[in-house]
Amino acid sequence: AQTVTQSQPEMSVQEAETVTLSCTYDTSESDYYLFWYKQPPSRQMILVIRQEAYKQQNATENRFSVNFQKAAKSFSLKISDSQLGDAAMYFCAYPLYGNQFYFGTGTSLTVIP
Amino acid sequence: ETGVTQSPTHLIKTRGQQVTLRCSSQSGHNTVSWYQQALGQGPQFIFQYYREEENGRGNFPPRFSGLQFPNYSSELNVNALELDDSALYLCASSLARSGGAGETQYFGPGTRLLVL
Repeated sequence: AQTVTQSQPEMSVQEAETVTLSCTYDTSESDYYLFWYKQPPSRQMILVIRQEAYKQQNATENRFSVNFQKAAKSFSLKISDSQLGDAAMYFCAYPLYGNQFYFGTGTSLTVIP
Repeated sequence: ETGVTQSPTHLIKTRGQQVTLRCSSQSGHNTVSWYQQALGQGPQFIFQYYREEENGRGNFPPRFSGLQFPNYSSELNVNALELDDSALYLCASSLARSGGAGETQYFGPGTRLLVL
């Protein structure tokens, strides 16, 4: 069975500091993709970053980067220079064949001014 | 480029009633997925439509059904509503090129359903 686990229900970070959100997953596939989505209080899920498993290089999008450890099945999200607008729920997602996304339970990120 | 839209934004129904939720996909997208997100939980996959055909279903009973139209807009229908159906329902569209996994899904703002 494919599962996605986010072990940190809540995290907080000082503005301008760095925070890392954890995600582990279970799969028997060798080639797959992983995603991080952000859901602010407005409810709309917004893509943060996408990683292709066959690529050795960790994906980066501006202040957001991932630490992808394929052997350990770990996919953590690092947010640098945290801003107040980063406060949201963050979900790790793994898509099965046909693009059926499986989401973790989420991490609520608070940014402290 | 038009994003994913959903209607209505909020809905209140009573147990046993039927409800239809609507989604308009992002321009050019041929695949739509529906998710149920209970309070404090991650979204749960309900089903997916690709070019008007159901292309996968999650662990939801048959009273959850859907349609995708030629213009790639979509409906989610729920019959015989139960209290546990109260949730945020999210629609997501994507452009499937090969049928495999990995295409980014773009989400709508959701419909909040409350069943009393």
